[in-house]
Amino acid sequence: EIVLTQSPATLSLSPGERATLSCRASQSISNYLAWYQQKPGQAPRLLIYDASNRATGIPARFSGSGSGTDFTLTISSLEPEDFAVYYCQQRSGWPLTFGGGTKVEIK
Amino acid sequence: EEQLVESGGGLVKPGGSLRLSCAGSGFTFSNAWMSWVRQAPGKGLEWVGRIKSKYVGGATDYTAPVKGRFAISRDDSKNTVYLQMNSLKSEDTAVYYCITDFRDGYGGNWGQGTLVTVSS
Repeated sequence: EIVLTQSPATLSLSPGERATLSCRASQSISNYLAWYQQKPGQAPRLLIYDASNRATGIPARFSGSGSGTDFTLTISSLEPEDFAVYYCQQRSGWPLTFGGGTKVEIK
Repeated sequence: EEQLVESGGGLVKPGGSLRLSCAGSGFTFSNAWMSWVRQAPGKGLEWVGRIKSKYVGGATDYTAPVKGRFAISRDDSKNTVYLQMNSLKSEDTAVYYCITDFRDGYGGNWGQGTLVTVSS
């Protein structure tokens, strides 16, 4: 099973600041990585797929990068609605697995 | 607009069974690969299993903790996918989300989720 490790567990930032979230895979997964955003009481929402492609309707302030084992989600300037939990997920091998999540909270 | 609506959650005793349903609309259901993902209270996400479209054989895959206890099926005439859960354990307590597969392994669209509680 491919293990995804996200860091940090919590990121405390102010609106307008840049957020950088990391996801590391236990083995190479090429670019088969997605990022999701989840707000309290809501289902997750797909943000980025195949490491760097924004899903439909996702604002340009969200960007993804990386390949192999190291991946990054960047939010260029945090908006109030961006404070949430973010998960990475791989589709390189079954079972499909998620990282443990990074909570982006208001400082 | 693509929509998924889950139903069938509730309280069940350990060792019991429950069947979840997920009705899809706004897309060609018969073409879609469908999955179930769960989230234990206050925890992260776990991919439970998926069913491919009948056009590619309708195969199913499951994560190890549920293999042999859970079964996913689909009825394309009703635009519905099912999750039959047997021999339930307390660790199966979670919100279960129905999702449409995107790009062969991502969660493209998610339902609102249904809560399953396994407790005596």
